[in-house]
Amino acid sequence: QVTLKESGPGILQPSQTLSLTCSFSGFSLSTSNMGVGWIRQPSGKGLEWLLHILWNDSKYYNPALKSRLTISKDTYNNQVFLKIANVDTADTATYYCARITEGRGLYAMDYWGQGTSVTVSS
Amino acid sequence: DIQMTQSPASLSVSVGETVTITCRASENIYSNLAWYQQKQGKSPQLLVYAATNLADGVPSRFSGSGSGTQYSLKINSLQSEDFGSYYCQHFWGTPWTFGGGTKLEIK
Repeated sequence: QVTLKESGPGILQPSQTLSLTCSFSGFSLSTSNMGVGWIRQPSGKGLEWLLHILWNDSKYYNPALKSRLTISKDTYNNQVFLKIANVDTADTATYYCARITEGRGLYAMDYWGQGTSVTVSS
Repeated sequence: DIQMTQSPASLSVSVGETVTITCRASENIYSNLAWYQQKQGKSPQLLVYAATNLADGVPSRFSGSGSGTQYSLKINSLQSEDFGSYYCQHFWGTPWTFGGGTKLEIK
């Protein structure tokens, strides 16, 4: 059974660094063709893909945010970490992590976490 | 960046009706497209991947079609549990952008 769960600070102040953790089970990031991505959704709005990391440690970033994003993984403990530097109110959103599977060059985000709400406020 | 234009933005339909949601990509995405359903307050769930393949456990009343730049999600005989928001997402090179979403409401 595949599960993912996001955790984070809930609230932080502008200019701080947001640190989120995705803890997962039921799959391994040491398995080829697996990955974990981060997606966010401001309240009442659409989905925005942020970045993802693959089993071979390849990393892909949304260029609109790339300078502020960092992703890493702890394969042994089944965790993926996201950092967003210098946050402002526009980063207020629900943040999801999702498993990525790839087969014959075709991708899907087939399992999602429940999401964690992040509010940036002074 | 590839832009995904999804339509309609909202739709009011009755149980039992058939609906079609479309996504148009700004360039050829070679069937690298997924559809998701999101219910209020919940995380998105994968419905279709690679444009036409139903995800595990997805009812057969859902179907995906399309190629090139034009893709569709069809829902036959709408059930009450199908109401919510739907999103397309392409996977042809990063950034992996989503469509703006379609909100499906009960008439």
